[in-house]
Amino acid sequence: NAGVTQTPKFQVLKTGQSMTLQCAQDMNHNSMYWYRQDPGMGLRLIYYSASEGTTDKGEVPNGYNVSRLNKREFSLRLESAAPSQTSVYFCASRMDRASNQPQHFGDGTRLSIL
Amino acid sequence: GNSVTQMEGPVTLSEEAFLTINCTYTATGYPSLFWYVQYPGEGLQLLLKATKADDKGSNKGFEATYRKETTSFHLEKGSVQVSDSAVYFCALSDQTGANNLFFGTGTRLTVIP
Repeated sequence: NAGVTQTPKFQVLKTGQSMTLQCAQDMNHNSMYWYRQDPGMGLRLIYYSASEGTTDKGEVPNGYNVSRLNKREFSLRLESAAPSQTSVYFCASRMDRASNQPQHFGDGTRLSIL
Repeated sequence: GNSVTQMEGPVTLSEEAFLTINCTYTATGYPSLFWYVQYPGEGLQLLLKATKADDKGSNKGFEATYRKETTSFHLEKGSVQVSDSAVYFCALSDQTGANNLFFGTGTRLTVIP
């Protein structure tokens, strides 16, 4: 009964380094999402994948790339990390795009970029 | 466009006090509305939802009513407990395109014994 699993839970990077955040869900959900959470700003959508094989930009996609590896997994990549990307990153999934379906969230990845 | 405006915190209450966290929204069409809760060190969990006007969502003693005329979805609880200390997020899911979630900035609630 894992739900949405994110790895790693914590990471410290130096400016310019690259990194991939992993996310997997075991609920057979079609849609998956990546958010960042910053103080005083709530959650902002980075990228989403409405279904396997598709990805789309959200509100704040610059500096990130994503891969929907299969139905279960959706990864987020920082190619050249910048201090402005220091944040808490959350992955979420939802059964489908119907508007009354809730999203299920992972526990987050706390990323610091020095 | 879509947006959610949420009561700023932090909010500190004594145990058994009444809680209200205000939330208003702007949306195209007829959104679904949600309250999520985030406990320390954890991800967001769905607390309650309402999918149409005048619907009341409820869970764990919390309630919120979808008011289309005032575009509001205020969260209430009659008697808070220490275990309710968390950050509460109001959110809407629009009916256009990808039906993504739009979040408010969150309200931190601390309940003291």
